Amino acid sequence: DVKVTQSSRYLVKRTGEKVFLECVQDMDHENMFWYRQDPGLGLRLIYFSYDVKMKEKGDIPEGYSVSREKKERFSLILESASTNQTSMYLCASSSGLAGDEQYFGPGTRLTVT
Amino acid sequence: GEDVEQSLFLSVREGDSSVINCTYTDSSSTYLYWYKQEPGAGLQLLTYIFSNMDMKQDQRLTVLLNKKDKHLSLRIADTQTGDSAIYFCADFSPLYGGSQGNLIFGKGTKLSVKP
Repeated sequence: DVKVTQSSRYLVKRTGEKVFLECVQDMDHENMFWYRQDPGLGLRLIYFSYDVKMKEKGDIPEGYSVSREKKERFSLILESASTNQTSMYLCASSSGLAGDEQYFGPGTRLTVT
Repeated sequence: GEDVEQSLFLSVREGDSSVINCTYTDSSSTYLYWYKQEPGAGLQLLTYIFSNMDMKQDQRLTVLLNKKDKHLSLRIADTQTGDSAIYFCADFSPLYGGSQGNLIFGKGTKLSVKP
């Protein structure tokens, strides 16, 4: 069974704090993704990575950075959290084969006050 | 860029069929997916269809693909209250024309099933 885990289910941070969201997958997947989900806006891709130390910007990378030092771990970093980054953050991974499904973690609900 | 559109809400009565519709813009689309998200959870793949297929059936689920109109639908037969969730349509978008790529998601359709 593929498992994608995220470090926290709920997180509350203050404006200006540096925030780390961690994601780990146990299926040796090549690709990993970070999305944010907001009501009425669906899922929006922030960043993705198709190999260790590789990263690609998604649709809304501003205010975020990522790190992929090991194949199984993909971190999302909010350098200076702002209230408009309050959202549900979803991590996903896939094998990298054409059309293979993405497996999602349970999500981290981040509130920035 | 490529886009995927779907209506935001659908309400049905228990036992009825639900039909969730989706349109996409990518004329070279290869794989199309339906994901389900239950409250408080991540997304889970329900089913997918390859672009050379018109229809795919899996128990209570039927996926229809009209490639000419770029229209995808998901039919859930005998809808149950446990089917209440958000359903996302997604299109595989290749990176640099290769096998790597990401998914373009619609905004999700919230299905409410009334007893």
